[in-house]
Order: sequence, then C-alpha cells, then structure tokens
Amino acid sequence: NAGVTQTPKFQVLKTGQSMTLQCAQDMNHNSMYWYRQDPGMGLRLIYYSASEGTTDKGEVPNGYNVSRLNKREFSLRLESAAPSQTSVYFCASSEMVETYEQYFGPGTRLTVT
Amino acid sequence: GQSLEQPSEVTAVEGAIVQINCTYQTSGFYGLSWYQQHDGGAPTFLSYNALDGLEETGRFSSFLSRSDSYGYLLLQELQMKDSASYFCAVSPHAGNNRKLIWGLGTSLAVNP
Repeated sequence: NAGVTQTPKFQVLKTGQSMTLQCAQDMNHNSMYWYRQDPGMGLRLIYYSASEGTTDKGEVPNGYNVSRLNKREFSLRLESAAPSQTSVYFCASSEMVETYEQYFGPGTRLTVT
Repeated sequence: GQSLEQPSEVTAVEGAIVQINCTYQTSGFYGLSWYQQHDGGAPTFLSYNALDGLEETGRFSSFLSRSDSYGYLLLQELQMKDSASYFCAVSPHAGNNRKLIWGLGTSLAVNP
C-alpha cells in the first residue's frame, strides 16, 4: 500500500498562475483533507471532504477550490496564485475509527514568486 | 473561539524524560491526539486519549484530564531521533465529521 500520495513534490509558480495539487489514497478512507503549514502556524485546514461527493470549507479556504473526484482522489486548485500561498501543502485521509487518526501524504512545497 | 496551547520549544538531553503539555478550549471534545513531525516530513500519529488517564505506547505515554481540559505527551529514554515537532489535536465532533483542531506544535531538541 502506498498510503497517501501527492504530486508534485515541489512547485514554483509566478503570481497569477494556476495549478492543481493532486492527492490520492489507497486505504479506502471516506474522509480527506487539505492543509497548509507555514512556519509557526501549525496545520491549518483549507478544505475537507467527509465522503465522496461532499466538500466543505475549513479555516482558510479563500483562494482555493477542491474536487473530490472519487473516493480515492481529492485535488486542490489554486486559480490565481499569490505570494501569500507560498507554503507546504499536506493532504490527509481518515476513516471512521475511534482514534480519528489521520494519515498524511509527503507534502507539496509550493513557492509563489 | 477554539484554541489549543502548547509550548513552542522544549530542549532535553539524551536519556532524559520530557513532558509536553497541551491545554485546550473547544466547543466540543471527543478526544486528544498527538502527532510527531520530523523536519521536512509529514505528521504521523502517535497516540489518542478519549478518556481520563494514561495511555502507554513504548517509550511514549499520553495523559488526559477532561475536567482540566489538559493533556500531555511524555517521552522517556529520549533519543536523538526524537528531535521533532509534536502537535496536539482535539477531535471536537462526533460521527461523520472527522476534522481536528490543531495546536501550533512544540519543537523538541534532544541534545547529546
């Protein structure tokens, strides 16, 4: 099992460019999440999907859109990148278990110039 | 508002014991989790407490007091590889909503 995979691992964008971050999980989890992590800010939830076909905003959704393509895949789109979106982006998934354990992908390091 | 507080940095020496505290203020509470993150890596799950008391997993233990809205992670027999950031997280919802509320993390430096 690969767990949670993310592509790309690194990306540099110019201000105003768009891109889609891809995430897939092979654990048959219902819930998936997109976080951003900035120094000293911890993990901030951008969007999450409780199950296939549903998405909901998290703490910092402005400037982002998501698509839950199927149960495996959850993509994050930046329509018009801004320097403030320079961050490390993590995708995670979880199942309906008592521990609420989330499994994280390796992250995408995005720089917007 | 909803918040979790934990120290920003902790330093210890190899072989020692260190305790990382977490206090929380959330609208709902179903459990407290701890995650470890090495520099450049992804967070990984360490432990979960839903009920008061101590949970032990090898060198790591986690404690919860619901009445005090407080928990801690205890790391024993510290090793250099334990140098990492440690995050506490609260599960404020039940059922299908599996979102977590995260603390800002504690950076642990283990020195020889």
